[in-house]
Amino acid sequence: ETGVTQSPTHLIKTRGQQVTLRCSSQSGHNTVSWYQQALGQGPQFIFQYYREEENGRGNFPPRFSGLQFPNYSSELNVNALELDDSALYLCASQAGRDRVFYGYTFGSGTRLTVV
Amino acid sequence: AQSVTQLDSHVSVSEGTPVLLRCNYSSSYSPSLFWYVQHPNKGLQLLLKYTSAATLVKGINGFEAEFKKSETSFHLTKPSAHMSDAAEYFCVVSDRDTGNQFYFGTGTSLTVIP
Repeated sequence: ETGVTQSPTHLIKTRGQQVTLRCSSQSGHNTVSWYQQALGQGPQFIFQYYREEENGRGNFPPRFSGLQFPNYSSELNVNALELDDSALYLCASQAGRDRVFYGYTFGSGTRLTVV
Repeated sequence: AQSVTQLDSHVSVSEGTPVLLRCNYSSSYSPSLFWYVQHPNKGLQLLLKYTSAATLVKGINGFEAEFKKSETSFHLTKPSAHMSDAAEYFCVVSDRDTGNQFYFGTGTSLTVIP
């Protein structure tokens, strides 16, 4: 079973609200990435954190922000929610920055619905 | 620019018959390629990865894929489908130009008929 835990599993928010999604990685995984998976689509890269600093960002607006903590947990924050933010949000972690050799471990995701 | 095209959005096979899920990629440099599987209400699980070693890559659960540079393809195969293989499959490309991100295809939904 995956060593990455995400909470909550499901969430319903109203347009304009703010939301915080949480991810707990396994010990030693100092790199965490967040992906957005819209219905029927492949996941899209939001950003990555390495040792608590942002280490790459995809094509998402600044209202998507993140934090990574020393205890291998992390957060994805989304402000001013829009209907199009409805999606499955996936957290992925790895040991080290080199995705080529280590690969990612994905969590089961948080299903966010914006109404 | 990097991109991944999964040629079939849906594939249906009978149990015990071969599986072929097709993937073509576009990459400016030597790519790393991955196949992930996603079962309903589950996270993404790594099936196999190609990282410039052997072109024929063996993964978990009997899956394998062959990297063909001349065809820019990385098709996923399995000799005999099992009911538990029914899931969504994603082909992923990454290279030094993409920084730290993966580029996912749109996915192929595999149905296994008993």
